[in-house]
Order: sequence, then structure tokens, then C-alpha cells
Amino acid sequence: KQEVTQIPAALSVPEGENLVLNCSFTDSAIYNLQWFRQDPGKGLTSLLLIQSSQREQTSGRLNASLDKSSGRSTLYIAASQPGDSATYLCAPGGEYNQGGKLIFGQGTELSVKP
Amino acid sequence: GAGVSQTPSNKVTEKGKYVELRCDPISGHTALYWYRQSLGQGPEFLIYFQGTGAADDSGLPNDRFFAVRPEGSVSTLKIQRTERGDSAVYLCASSLSGVTGELFFGEGSRLTVL
Repeated sequence: KQEVTQIPAALSVPEGENLVLNCSFTDSAIYNLQWFRQDPGKGLTSLLLIQSSQREQTSGRLNASLDKSSGRSTLYIAASQPGDSATYLCAPGGEYNQGGKLIFGQGTELSVKP
Repeated sequence: GAGVSQTPSNKVTEKGKYVELRCDPISGHTALYWYRQSLGQGPEFLIYFQGTGAADDSGLPNDRFFAVRPEGSVSTLKIQRTERGDSAVYLCASSLSGVTGELFFGEGSRLTVL
């Protein structure tokens, strides 16, 4: 059974800092891994999708890496801004017979102070 | 519509009542997922549809929960004899392919059982 752990659970940083959010998962037999952000009371917004054959994906100030064999992914946020404050969720997707469903960690709650 | 649409956004009901939650996925997306999110937790998988059929319902907590997708588009999550423990945000997501595709989430339906 896939289990996902995100560290730290909460993080508070001053504006402008570069930061790294960590995600680990127990079953490395995944097809992909997706990072999301969730604002309070809202749904999930997809940030990055990494296929299992890829090492990393970049979108603007965000960079996500995937080390499938060791069961780890990191989300790097450059030059953080107050608007980045949200909960960030990591979710690996299972192999073919699981239909690509995602299993979520509990998230990292990020607060960027102006 | 452009995104995943869920209705109602909020539902308050009394213990023992029947509830229906609706999800309208992104047009053309064949895969549809239901998740449940409790306060402070990551989303928990409930059920996955590929087309009209439920390909994986392993996350449904008990037989009070049922979901349908009769025409392969709109889906309805049905909860019978609601209990206070069913209170949560119910999230729906859709994906173009369902295996390696990116999941897109709706804003969720917040269910409160009094």
C-alpha cells in the first residue's frame, strides 16, 4: 500500500527565500507524480506533473525533481512571494492497473511573510 | 465548461438523510475520480471511473456510499443514511487518459452532517 510523507508539515519563510519541500513514498512502482497547491477552502491546483521516465519538470519559479528508485520527490520554489502561501501536496500515481489514481500526502503548509 | 464543476458547493444535512453530490468533468476527459478530504488531511481516494464503469471503488468506506456515471460524463456520488463522520469536503477530478494523465480538480462540495 502506497504511503506518502511530506516534510516539513509547516514552513514559514521571509519573502525572497528559495525553499525546498520534500516528499517521500514507499512504493516506487509509479507511473507519475503530481504536485498541487491548495488555498484555504479551495480545490487543488495542479502545479507540475512528472512522468516516471523523467527526472524533473520546471514551470516558472517552480522545479520538481523525481528519484523514483529511492521514492523521493522535491519541489523547489525560487524567490518565494507572499502569494505562494498555500498548502502544497505531493501525489504519486500508481501503475497501470490502478488507473492512475493518486495517493496524497498530508501536505506542507507554506507561509511566506512579506 | 473550462474546468471541473461540482455542485452543490455546500450542503448541510441532518444525520440519517440521503445526499447526492454532482461532478461535471472537463469535456472529453474519460477518467473521473472522487476523493474525500477531512480538515488538515490530504485527499483520500474513493472511486475511479473509466468511461461509464467504476474501474476501482476500493476507497469507498462502506455500502452507504455509491457513485454512478451513466453516460460517461457527469458523475453523482450518493450517500445514504448520512452520519456525522461523513462530514468532509468531497473533491472530484478528471483526467484525459486516466493512466499517465494529469488530474484536474474541482472546487469541492463541503458536506456537513448535523
